[in-house]
Amino acid sequence: DTGVSQDPRHKITKRGQNVTFRCDPISEHNRLYWYRQTLGQGPEFLTYFQNEAQLEKSRLLSDRFSAERPKGSFSTLEIQRTEQGDSAMYLCASSDNDRGDYNEQFFGPGTRLTVL
Amino acid sequence: LAKTTQPISMDSYEGQEVNITCSHNNIATNDYITWYQQFPSQGPRFIIQGYKTKVTNEVASLFIPADRKSSTLSLPRVSLSDTAVYYCLVGPISGGSYIPTFGRGTSLIVHP
Repeated sequence: DTGVSQDPRHKITKRGQNVTFRCDPISEHNRLYWYRQTLGQGPEFLTYFQNEAQLEKSRLLSDRFSAERPKGSFSTLEIQRTEQGDSAMYLCASSDNDRGDYNEQFFGPGTRLTVL
Repeated sequence: LAKTTQPISMDSYEGQEVNITCSHNNIATNDYITWYQQFPSQGPRFIIQGYKTKVTNEVASLFIPADRKSSTLSLPRVSLSDTAVYYCLVGPISGGSYIPTFGRGTSLIVHP
C-alpha cells in the first residue's frame, strides 16, 4: 500500500499528558499537511510542510501544538499538556507540489484522539 | 481567501442525478475549484478539480459558469455508497502560500 499512513489510529490519554502522532506521506510527495476535524465540521487546517520546511504554522491552535518533518519524509504532530478540547480526529495529507496540484491532497485514515 | 457556501445537507434516491452547488463570489483569478468526498471515519478523497467551463471524470462532472462565482458538482445516478459529505474548496494550484479551507461541506444522504 503506497497511500498515506498514520499511527496510531486511536489514542486515549489523560488530560495533561503529551501525545505524538506520526504521518508517513506518499513517498514522492513533497508537501505534507496536518488537519484537525471535530464532529460535524470539515477538516481544519493546522500546518503544512514543503519538504522539511514548515511554511505555514500560524493556524496551529496554540503553543501546545508543534509539528516536525525533520528529513522531509515522515512528520510528527505533538500536543503537549492535552486538554479535553483537543479530542478530535487528526488528519494528515500529502501532495506532489511539483505537479502544481496544490489541491489534490491524499489523506491518511487519521488518528482519533480522546482526552479523558 | 475565497469563502465558499454550500447547502448543509441534501437528500436523494438511488439512480437519481445529484447536483451540489457551491458559491464562491470572491474567487480570485488564479483560483481553482476542487471537490472532496468524505465518508465517516475516513479522510477526504479528491473527486474533481476545474478552472472554468466543464470538467468530467469517471466519478463526477464539474460545471463552472463564465463568471466563476459558483460551481456545481454533478453526480450521475447516485447509489447508496455515494452517501458522504462533499466539500468545495477554492484556491490556487501554483505559486504562493495556500491554506486549504474545507468548511462544513454538504452531507448527502442517498435513500433506497
